[in-house]
Amino acid sequence: GDSVTQMEGPVTLSEEAFLTINCTYTATGYPSLFWYVQYPGEGLQLLLKATKADDKGSNKGFEATYRKETTSFHLEKGSVQVSDSAVYFCALLMEYGNKLVFGAGTILRVKS
Amino acid sequence: NAGVTQTPKFQVLKTGQSMTLQCAQDMNHEYMSWYRQDPGMGLRLIHYSVGAGITDQGEVPNGYNVSRSTTEDFPLRLLSAAPSQTSVYFCASSYSPGPQNIQYFGAGTRLSVL
Repeated sequence: GDSVTQMEGPVTLSEEAFLTINCTYTATGYPSLFWYVQYPGEGLQLLLKATKADDKGSNKGFEATYRKETTSFHLEKGSVQVSDSAVYFCALLMEYGNKLVFGAGTILRVKS
Repeated sequence: NAGVTQTPKFQVLKTGQSMTLQCAQDMNHEYMSWYRQDPGMGLRLIHYSVGAGITDQGEVPNGYNVSRSTTEDFPLRLLSAAPSQTSVYFCASSYSPGPQNIQYFGAGTRLSVL
């Protein structure tokens, strides 16, 4: 079945460091890909999305490019802040589906 | 603008007790869903609804019931709680299913079953 694999955390970085969180997927067909963020004590919020190959989603300094050839959607940010500390979830949604499939989540901790 | 509201925020149950987790949205969304979040497993879909009067099972439906009598509300019922149902539960809604519609999540209900 369809699945999403994320790098295990926690990821601990110093402020202003470069961030990469890896995400790969397995799907039969052409999914849309998402990154959600969960701040402490809150629900999930959509961070960015890409709906077809080579699309780049971006928001709040975060970017991810839909790579069909490597079935990947890695999340990057050039300079992280303490306020970026959160859990990040990669997810997919099939073309004609209505169910998000989530990865296990990656905890990011940013130290000042 | 309330968005998706879940109550209660925390609940402790004894094995065998029943309870209902409430979810309400004020955005006139047709699609609503329930997820559970467990460490190392991400979010898994329990039940979902594409409109009032229509519900369907997700990935992990056993032990849970849902109904959708109005567009706004989508309660999740645990008929006989078990320790395996200790988890954080999230309700989500969107205008309709599909990648063009953003899913909005509630703040979650943290449930412990002793």
